[in-house]
Amino acid sequence: TQLLEQSPQFLSIQEGENLTVYCNSSSVFSSLQWYRQEPGEGPVLLVTVVTGGEVKKLKRLTFQFGDARKDSSLHITAAQPGDTGLYLCAGLYSSASKIIFGSGTRLSIRP
Amino acid sequence: GAGVSQSPSNKVTEKGKDVELRCDPISGHTALYWYRQRLGQGLEFLIYFQGNSAPDKSGLPSDRFSAERTGESVSTLTIQRTQQEDSAVYLCASSLGAGLAGEFYEQYFGPGTRLTVT
Repeated sequence: TQLLEQSPQFLSIQEGENLTVYCNSSSVFSSLQWYRQEPGEGPVLLVTVVTGGEVKKLKRLTFQFGDARKDSSLHITAAQPGDTGLYLCAGLYSSASKIIFGSGTRLSIRP
Repeated sequence: GAGVSQSPSNKVTEKGKDVELRCDPISGHTALYWYRQRLGQGLEFLIYFQGNSAPDKSGLPSDRFSAERTGESVSTLTIQRTQQEDSAVYLCASSLGAGLAGEFYEQYFGPGTRLTVT
């Protein structure tokens, strides 16, 4: 059974601080996506990473895919209240044609 | 353009009743997914449809759960004899493909149906 573990589960920090959240598995992904979900809405795609070691930047957000394609991280610089939400990673296991979502990191940014 | 829509947005039902949840995907999207999200949790995969292929039902938690899709359009998720443990938000998503060729397509999610079983 493929599992995606995200850490931390909850994170509350002050506006302006930096943070990193993680997504880990014992299995190898073909590719991985990060989504953000706000209350009462469905998740929205932030990024897709495909190549081991790949780094993608989206304004203040930096996404990294591990060299072995088993893990990923999301780093936010100078967090803002608008970054508040549930961050979900999703891995594609093409060998099984399955998409697995992690349990999420709930992020709260205090003004 | 229109996104994924789901109805109803909220459903309160008594334990033991059947419920039907509806999803209208984005036109032209061949893949459609159903997920369950319990309060404060991540997404639990239930079922997905890809074109005319047999659906992947591996995530359905019991035989009380079933889903159908008409061609590449609307889908309904049916829960029979609802239990309190079924209370959750049920999310539907559609995408251009389903990653069978190793491509990871973006999933577009609807706003969900919040199901409460009393």
